[in-house]
Amino acid sequence: DAGVIQSPRHEVTEMGQEVTLRCKPISGHNSLFWYRQTMMRGLELLIYFNNNVPIDDSGMPEDRFSAKMPNASFSTLKIQPSEPRDSAVYFCASSPFSGSTDTQYFGPGTRLTVL
Amino acid sequence: DAKTTQPNSMESNEEEPVHLPCNHSTISGTDYIHWYRQLPSQGPEYVIHGLTSNVNNRMASLAIAEDRKSSTLILHRATLRDAAVYYCILRVGGTSYGKLTFGQGTILTVHP
Repeated sequence: DAGVIQSPRHEVTEMGQEVTLRCKPISGHNSLFWYRQTMMRGLELLIYFNNNVPIDDSGMPEDRFSAKMPNASFSTLKIQPSEPRDSAVYFCASSPFSGSTDTQYFGPGTRLTVL
Repeated sequence: DAKTTQPNSMESNEEEPVHLPCNHSTISGTDYIHWYRQLPSQGPEYVIHGLTSNVNNRMASLAIAEDRKSSTLILHRATLRDAAVYYCILRVGGTSYGKLTFGQGTILTVHP
């Protein structure tokens, strides 16, 4: 299996622009997670989907952020409008099931820079 | 969520064993102890997990104290590729989906 696939790997944009990050989970996994990593705050969970349904979005910072999972093989994280403080590495992860013993498999991340 | 405490950094020499400690004095009976690591410029990867008994896999061993208030990740022979940030995470058991909450972790440096 190719693992979790994220695109783009790097994104540079200007403040105010819309940014869309994409994720393809591992086939057969029914849970998907979006994380953000910064030097100041470390790794934070943004949102968790189970069977394509958002279950926990308490980590989504504000209304500028939105995430969708239209089917089991694709998810997007959108920032509109983007701000310099959104600069971070965004990781997508998937797991076969959701529970306290499952393993989450992380993608390589998207490094976002907002100028 | 129950918290974990890890040293900020540790150093080791190549081919020597490494013992990475983690304190979790407020752990509850259903919390699982998970370890993930993050190699430079990569996403985190799963290492090992356990509940009460010591665990071994191809990557590492996990030694859990009898009172479960601490645990130790053991890398039996460190290689340069093991240089990473190691995260000790408690995951709530039961019906919870077991949210992964990452702390600051331990930066492991391996010297040739």
